[in-house]
Amino acid sequence: GDSVTQMEGPVTLSEEAFLTINCTYTATGYPSLFWYVQYPGEGLQLLLKATKADDKGSNKGFEATYRKETTSFHLEKGSVQVSDSAVYFCALSGSNYQLIWGAGTKLIIKP
Amino acid sequence: KAGVTQTPRYLIKTRGQQVTLSCSPISGHRSVSWYQQTPGQGLQFLFEYFSETQRNKGNFPGRFSGRQFSNSRSEMNVSTLELGDSALYLCASSHGQGAGNTIYFGEGSWLTVV
Repeated sequence: GDSVTQMEGPVTLSEEAFLTINCTYTATGYPSLFWYVQYPGEGLQLLLKATKADDKGSNKGFEATYRKETTSFHLEKGSVQVSDSAVYFCALSGSNYQLIWGAGTKLIIKP
Repeated sequence: KAGVTQTPRYLIKTRGQQVTLSCSPISGHRSVSWYQQTPGQGLQFLFEYFSETQRNKGNFPGRFSGRQFSNSRSEMNVSTLELGDSALYLCASSHGQGAGNTIYFGEGSWLTVV
């Protein structure tokens, strides 16, 4: 079945560091890919998405490119801030429209 | 435009009791789905409703049930609560089905079973 694998956390970085959170997927067909963020005590917010190969999703300085050849959707940000501290979830939406989630990666940004 | 609203936000129940959680989707959204989030199991899909019909169901026991009303509002019910049902229950809505539809989440209902 469909699955999403993302790097384990926590990931701890200093402010202004470069961020990469890896995400790879297994799916039949052509899924849509998403990154969601969950701030402490809150629900999930859509961060960015891509619906077809080579699409680049971007929002709030975060970017991710849908790479079909490597089945990946890595999240990147050039310069992180303390306010980016949260849990980040990679997900895919497959043929049955159900979201399949990665385990989540906790990001800690130190000032 | 109001977001997805879930009630109650926090609740404590005793083992063996039952609980009903409510979700109001974003206006105009016809698809509502429910997820359970726990530290050990992460995010797990419970079920999805579209136009009052259950379209998908996750791998949960029959104690977990749901329904959707004609105004797209949804409820989920858990009967005979167990300690392991303690979790954050998230409701999400989208305009329709389809891989490109963006799904919006509510803030969740925190259920503690004691």
